Formats: sequence, structure tokens, C-alpha cells
Amino acid sequence: DAGVIQSPRHEVTEMGQEVTLRCKPISGHDYLFWYRQTMMRGLELLIYFNNNVPIDDSGMPEDRFSAKMPNASFSTLKIQPSEPRDSAVYFCASSWNSGITDTQYFGPGTRLTVL
Amino acid sequence: GQNIDQPTEMTATEGAIVQINCTYQTSGFNGLFWYQQHAGEAPTFLSYNVLDGLEEKGRFSSFLSRSKGYSYLLLKELQMKDSASYLCAVRVYNNNDMRFGAGTRLTVKP
Repeated sequence: DAGVIQSPRHEVTEMGQEVTLRCKPISGHDYLFWYRQTMMRGLELLIYFNNNVPIDDSGMPEDRFSAKMPNASFSTLKIQPSEPRDSAVYFCASSWNSGITDTQYFGPGTRLTVL
Repeated sequence: GQNIDQPTEMTATEGAIVQINCTYQTSGFNGLFWYQQHAGEAPTFLSYNVLDGLEEKGRFSSFLSRSKGYSYLLLKELQMKDSASYLCAVRVYNNNDMRFGAGTRLTVKP
């Protein structure tokens, strides 16, 4: 398996623009997570899905952020409009509910820079 | 809420042993994970504890005391490639919700 795939790997945009980050989880995994990592705040859980349904979005910072999972193999995280403080590395992770070791496997991340 | 604490930085010598501590205060504890993250890369899974005691996996071991809200990651026979950040993460309840500590940056020196 190719692992969790994220695109783009790097994104540079200007304040006010819309940004869309994409994720393809590992085939067969039924949980998908979006995280944000910054030096100041560390790794933060933004939202996660189970079987394509959003379960907890309490980590989404504000209404400018939205996430969708239209099917089991694809998810998007959208920021509209983007702001410089959104600059961070955004990770997508997936896991399967095996009961004990629900290890999350992380994608390589998208480094977002908002100018 | 959740509170997970670990030291910010540690330094150790190649070939030595280092212990990275993690304390947590969470509701609905359902497992503690350790992840390794090299600079510029994604976190990768190291270990998992849900019951009290020590889990050993090669050079790495992880310990958990649920009553004390305490875990540690033990790295033996340190190698230069072990220089990385080590993230302590707690899963809450039974819904795969994970909360991460800020991470401990370990530097291994010759």
C-alpha cells in the first residue's frame, strides 16, 4: 500500500485566497483525521471522520475551515479565506478500528504558507 | 479537558539510555501512544500502552501507570538517528480521538 497520500506537499498563497488540501487514506481504513502542526501549538486535532461521517469537529479553529469526506478514499480540508496565521503543516492520518491498536498512520503533510 | 505534559528538550550521548516522561490528565482514558517525528517528516508510531506495565519493542520500551497518569518512553543503545521529537498522545474514550503533547526534542550527541 502506498500509505496515506496528501496533496499538495507545499502550498504558498496570499491572504484571502481559498486553499484546498487533499487526502487519500489507506485503503480499508475507516477513520480519517486532519491535524495541524505549528511550533507554537504543536500537533492539534482539527476534525475526524468515521465511515465518511464527521464525528468531532471541535478542533476546527473557526468557520473559515471546513472538511468533507465524500467517499471512503478521499477527503478535503478547505480554508476560505486564508490568513497568515493559518500557516502550518497540515497532516492527514487514517486508521482502522481494530479494537486495540488503532494506530494512526500519517501522511507526509502539506506545508501551507499564507503570505 | 485534556492536559499532556512532557519535557521540551533532552540531550543524550550515543550508546546511552534516555527516558522521556509524559504526564497526562484526561477524561475517558483509553490508551497512550508514543510517536517519533524527525524534522520535516510525519509522525510514525512507536508504541502503545493501555494496561499498566512495560511494553518492550527492541531498543524502545514504554511504561504506563494509569493511577498516576504517567508514562515514559525508554530508548536504549542510543543512535544518532534517534535524534527526533517524541510525541506522547492519549486516546480518549472509545472513539479514536487522540490528543498529543507538545513533543520532546531529543538530540543524540557523539
